[in-house]
Amino acid sequence: DAGITQSPRYKITETGRQVTLMCHQTWSHSYMFWYRQDLGHGLRLIYYSAAADITDKGEVPDGYVVSRSKTENFPLTLESATRSQTSVYFCASSDGVSNQPQHFGDGTRLSIL
Amino acid sequence: GDSVTQMEGPVTLSEEAFLTINCTYTATGYPSLFWYVQYPGEGLQLLLKATKADDKGSNKGFEATYRKETTSFHLEKGSVQVSDSAVYFCALTPRGGSNYKLTFGKGTLLTVNP
Repeated sequence: DAGITQSPRYKITETGRQVTLMCHQTWSHSYMFWYRQDLGHGLRLIYYSAAADITDKGEVPDGYVVSRSKTENFPLTLESATRSQTSVYFCASSDGVSNQPQHFGDGTRLSIL
Repeated sequence: GDSVTQMEGPVTLSEEAFLTINCTYTATGYPSLFWYVQYPGEGLQLLLKATKADDKGSNKGFEATYRKETTSFHLEKGSVQVSDSAVYFCALTPRGGSNYKLTFGKGTLLTVNP
């Protein structure tokens, strides 16, 4: 089935560890996005990508790394996790037309101890 | 820059009550406007959208009208159900250019009691 899937759904790790969140979409959408959702802040954009090998910073990029070697995948890496990165992370994709919506995955709940 | 302001809530209603969630925006030109809904434990889903002034988006009994003169896109439903309990986000994308980033409001938690 077409869609956008995130893995894992839940992750617990320790400060200083590296962790990678995966995102895969089957629509061949050109644009992909990573958001974090925190109480009191709503959704904040971390990074986005307009196409394979093209990425750009969003509102809160510090401490995160992204790559996009294939159109369908957009992994997000926390190179050295900190407690402040405990959050729910959402991946989204769109076809890049401004009047069309973004499609969201079900999220990854990440806890950093 | 672009911004979206929505009533923060939480909003608690009884079943069959009337719902309004206010949303106003600041943007240049004519952005596209969206309402997303997030049910517990899930990602965001598009609820409705409007892409030009005076357009009315509607879905599942919810409606919102794009008001350019008041820069607003208020969400309404005439009779809410328990199953409408969720977080609602107002959002916009700028028109044209190559910037397709969504700007979100902070979300409004709606709880509907039987």
